[in-house]
Amino acid sequence: GQQVMQIPQYQHVQEGEDFTTYCNSSTTLSNIQWYKQRPGGHPVFLIQLVKSGEVKKQKRLTFQFGEAKKNSSLHITATQTTDVGTYFCAGSNFGNEKLTFGTGTRLTIIP
Amino acid sequence: NAGVTQTPKFQVLKTGQSMTLQCAQDMNHEYMSWYRQDPGMGLRLIHYSVGAGITDQGEVPNGYNVSRSTTEDFPLRLLSAAPSQTSVYFCASSYVQRGEKLFFGSGTQLSVL
Repeated sequence: GQQVMQIPQYQHVQEGEDFTTYCNSSTTLSNIQWYKQRPGGHPVFLIQLVKSGEVKKQKRLTFQFGEAKKNSSLHITATQTTDVGTYFCAGSNFGNEKLTFGTGTRLTIIP
Repeated sequence: NAGVTQTPKFQVLKTGQSMTLQCAQDMNHEYMSWYRQDPGMGLRLIHYSVGAGITDQGEVPNGYNVSRSTTEDFPLRLLSAAPSQTSVYFCASSYVQRGEKLFFGSGTQLSVL
């Protein structure tokens, strides 16, 4: 079955440093979504990428979808304490639209 | 709009007990699903439904039942609770299954002793 891996599992950064999490799928994806879960909270949708090589930005967050549509990344510039949480990618295949979530990357910020 | 409402927020069960986790949404979403979240394993799909009267298994369905008699409600039943079912459970919905963002409920933290 489809597998979606994320690295790293944990990341501790000083406030103001950049952060990147990577998502890799064993199969080609029709689309990929990113979610953020604050500590003690529930996942909240951030963005969806559909096209090969697509890049989208939300303020300090940059999302990329690989050319082969098998990997994706989320980059946060100049982290702030409000960025704390776990970031999940989730992908679905053509013809099988069930979302498979990655294992998540937990980001902690050192003030 | 309340969005996706899950009850209860916390539950402690003894091994062998049964219970139902409730999930309701008021967004007229066709697609509803249940996930469990365990440390280091992300969110794993238990069961899902693409509309009233239609349900299907996800990645980890064993030990759980679901039904979808109305568009709004999608309860998850634990038939005979086991310690391996200790987890955080999330209900999520979207307008349709294909390529739509999911709206999550606030979760149920379940402990099975």
